[in-house]
Amino acid sequence: EAQVTQNPRYLITVTGKKLTVTCSQNMNHEYMSWYRQDPGLGLRQIYYSMNVEVTDKGDVPEGYKVSRKEKRNFPLILESPSPNQTSLYFCASSPPGRAQRSGANVLTFGAGSRLTVL
Amino acid sequence: KQEVTQIPAALSVPEGENLVLNCSFTDSAIYNLQWFRQDPGKGLTSLLLIQSSQREQTSGRLNASLDKSSGRSTLYIAASQPGDSATYLCAVKTVSSGSARQLTFGSGTQLTVLP
Repeated sequence: EAQVTQNPRYLITVTGKKLTVTCSQNMNHEYMSWYRQDPGLGLRQIYYSMNVEVTDKGDVPEGYKVSRKEKRNFPLILESPSPNQTSLYFCASSPPGRAQRSGANVLTFGAGSRLTVL
Repeated sequence: KQEVTQIPAALSVPEGENLVLNCSFTDSAIYNLQWFRQDPGKGLTSLLLIQSSQREQTSGRLNASLDKSSGRSTLYIAASQPGDSATYLCAVKTVSSGSARQLTFGSGTQLTVLP
């Protein structure tokens, strides 16, 4: 089954304790992205990656890091989590950008990871 | 910077009613607009995509319209069912943001259809 898999789905942690949320897709998609969703604010893009070893900042990158060493994986790293990073996180993937521009292909989303930082 | 607004934030209707969800955006230079459905504990599912050159798209009981010049889109749900209960999100792909930045999302309308 074609899917985007995120882990963990739920996590409660404390301020300053480094954590990684993994994201893996099995569709050979080149594009991957991380979003956070907060009440009243919709989904906001954190980081995205056009391909292996190519990453760039989205709208709210502060406090996050990403890496794209393999096509299928795009982990989100919180080096020193803070309470304002408590949120619902979504990973998504899609085929190449030129296809996206035409709207021919849409994003496939993971099920989400709910993170609480105390 | 593109801003997407959805009104109302929450809506509760009895089963069988027809309903309309609204989405507005500030920058009319868009490639396309999408409506998504979000269920608790699950990711987002794309329902309908309207290209900037199109006026509407239909899928089953769903019909989405786009008025690019006024910066508005509506999602019409006919004969609503309890299974339609979910949060509906609108998202636009803006020309100026470039294809890499993907979509700008609204904050969603939480729909409850009562049996």
